[in-house]
Amino acid sequence: DAGVTQSPTHLIKTRGQQVTLRCSPKSGHDTVSWYQQALGQGPQFIFQYYEEEERQRGNFPDRFSGHQFPNYSSELNVNALLLGDSALYLCASSAYGTYNSPLHFGNGTRLTVT
Amino acid sequence: TQLLEQSPQFLSIQEGENLTVYCNSSSVFSSLQWYRQEPGEGPVLLVTVVTGGEVKKLKRLTFQFGDARKDSSLHITAAQPGDTGLYLCAGARNDMRFGAGTRLTVKP
Repeated sequence: DAGVTQSPTHLIKTRGQQVTLRCSPKSGHDTVSWYQQALGQGPQFIFQYYEEEERQRGNFPDRFSGHQFPNYSSELNVNALLLGDSALYLCASSAYGTYNSPLHFGNGTRLTVT
Repeated sequence: TQLLEQSPQFLSIQEGENLTVYCNSSSVFSSLQWYRQEPGEGPVLLVTVVTGGEVKKLKRLTFQFGDARKDSSLHITAAQPGDTGLYLCAGARNDMRFGAGTRLTVKP
């Protein structure tokens, strides 16, 4: 049973560029949440997708957008990259409507913006 | 400002010692979860506490949810080097929000 998979594992981009990160949820899960984790910090909630719609959003600018596909996989897009966007981006899957259920995380995509 | 405040931020102890880390908030949560994260990996769930005053034990780890469901603690007895990692608490409301974590190092 495959867990949450994220790609790529590492990425280096230049300021102003755009990036797309990908996530496949754990089998049986229909909800995907994205988190940004800066070095030495806890994960910061970006947004959550269910039924191909953004259901909840954290305090992130519109440069951060996402998408969920019919097979529940998801993408995170970041436009006009800033140096401060350098972080570990984590994807977590869960079953919708059971907000007490555990989040299953992937190992993240390490984004470096130069 | 973090919704969940964790303390201490860093903790370095010797193998065999006991420790407690705290997770505090002014908000009420429907549940609170504790995760452990190791370098290069995503967080892994340790426990979920739901009821105010609830205590859960997982081997040498004891988790407590405050009566008002605003705070929680994690106590580790006889810490081992394998306990080293970043301990994160997360509170559930409409989504899951994390604290900044306690980075624990257990020296042999």
